[in-house]
Amino acid sequence: QQQVKQSPQSLIVQKGGISIINCAYENTAFDYFPWYQQFPGKGPALLIAIRPDVSEKKEGRFTISFNKSAKQFSLHIMDSQPGDSATYFCATTGGGNKLTFGTGTQLKVEL
Amino acid sequence: DVKVTQSSRYLVKRTGEKVFLECVQDMDHENMFWYRQDPGLGLRLIYFSYDVKMKEKGDIPEGYSVSREKKERFSLILESASTNQTSMYLCASSVLGVTEAFFGQGTRLTVV
Repeated sequence: QQQVKQSPQSLIVQKGGISIINCAYENTAFDYFPWYQQFPGKGPALLIAIRPDVSEKKEGRFTISFNKSAKQFSLHIMDSQPGDSATYFCATTGGGNKLTFGTGTQLKVEL
Repeated sequence: DVKVTQSSRYLVKRTGEKVFLECVQDMDHENMFWYRQDPGLGLRLIYFSYDVKMKEKGDIPEGYSVSREKKERFSLILESASTNQTSMYLCASSVLGVTEAFFGQGTRLTVV
């Protein structure tokens, strides 16, 4: 079963624009919400993560917004750059160490 | 830096062969994972291990087994490879109780 639903599947953004990727989860026991970034030929790497006790976390141009009541969280990339072109995965975990991933979003930032 | 190394970047195997994918991590992590990555399906957990000789099934364990005889090494075994196991396989590790996972570069397996 798909416990984490991610959208959109692909996204094209102009350089300098805002990229927004959304995820929805089902299990209210989840307590850790990371985003991973994957470049072609590489494994995913942790980009930014949030716990449910805060509604927003910002690191540079990357922001996670978290809505606990709606069971949704999103990644915002401000001032998107061509170097941000990659596949992004949301993930969740609840109390254990097993990450459940979304289906991924291919982001392309055009000049 | 944490390093997770997968033994092969590309593998081509024949249907029915027994296939071994090897993964080694150098940071003394307790947890190790095997994921499968397919377009449109994301990363799906096959098996994970939280200690030597300990293993738990993930979401798609059918057709796979694992072995962890040493803390740093986690092997994925395809007992009898089939074409529907053609995929990208990713190994990861993490510290027990800490949720950040570190991934290897992946092994692209083609079963013909």
